[in-house]
Amino acid sequence: GQQLNQSPQSMFIQEGEDVSMNCTSSSIFNTWLWYKQDPGEGPVLLIALYKAGELTSNGRLTAQFGITRKDSFLNISASIPSDVGIYFCAGHEYGGSQGNLIFGKGTKLSVKP
Amino acid sequence: DSGVTQTPKHLITATGQRVTLRCSPRSGDLSVYWYQQSLDQGLQFLIQYYNGEERAKGNILERFSAQQFPDLHSELNLSSLELGDSALYFCASSRSPINEQFFGPGTRLTVL
Repeated sequence: GQQLNQSPQSMFIQEGEDVSMNCTSSSIFNTWLWYKQDPGEGPVLLIALYKAGELTSNGRLTAQFGITRKDSFLNISASIPSDVGIYFCAGHEYGGSQGNLIFGKGTKLSVKP
Repeated sequence: DSGVTQTPKHLITATGQRVTLRCSPRSGDLSVYWYQQSLDQGLQFLIQYYNGEERAKGNILERFSAQQFPDLHSELNLSSLELGDSALYFCASSRSPINEQFFGPGTRLTVL
């Protein structure tokens, strides 16, 4: 089925650096969500976006709903060790089955102290 | 803590067996979703219920079934288990189908 293209697959950065990851789709999405998952745990919702062009922040995290409705990005500023984990983008496809969240394959973030 | 609870946390069973995973949604949430996460497949949507009714189906095998009860908790039944069914199974809930979903801690199923 439909899958989101999330990049990069993994990142290894120094503490204090900024991080940027993005997600693209071949079709239009109504919502974009960003989740973080720690090993063996459930995904935790970070940011939800509902309108094209919307820019939303949650502490050091900022995410945007692309104007074309086919992409979204997540930025993390001044990374810290606890930012380590896998970040997933997800969204509801326009015209798709309501509630059926489509996920990217994740970006694995490693932070070096 | 998302407010979504899942039991059991771990489950180890043998091929051919049947298991039941349980999920209690956040208070007030009417929609429940089940996802499977294996190493090479990412998060795959299985099935959705809204207020007791099946709303959407994803890549759910015929050997798998689910239901949502009047008190809104949900169960996912996996039968004739195969080695490839070993995975993390997550339940998520939301106020309505168009709202953001909150995930439970998952059940790790190991089929030997």
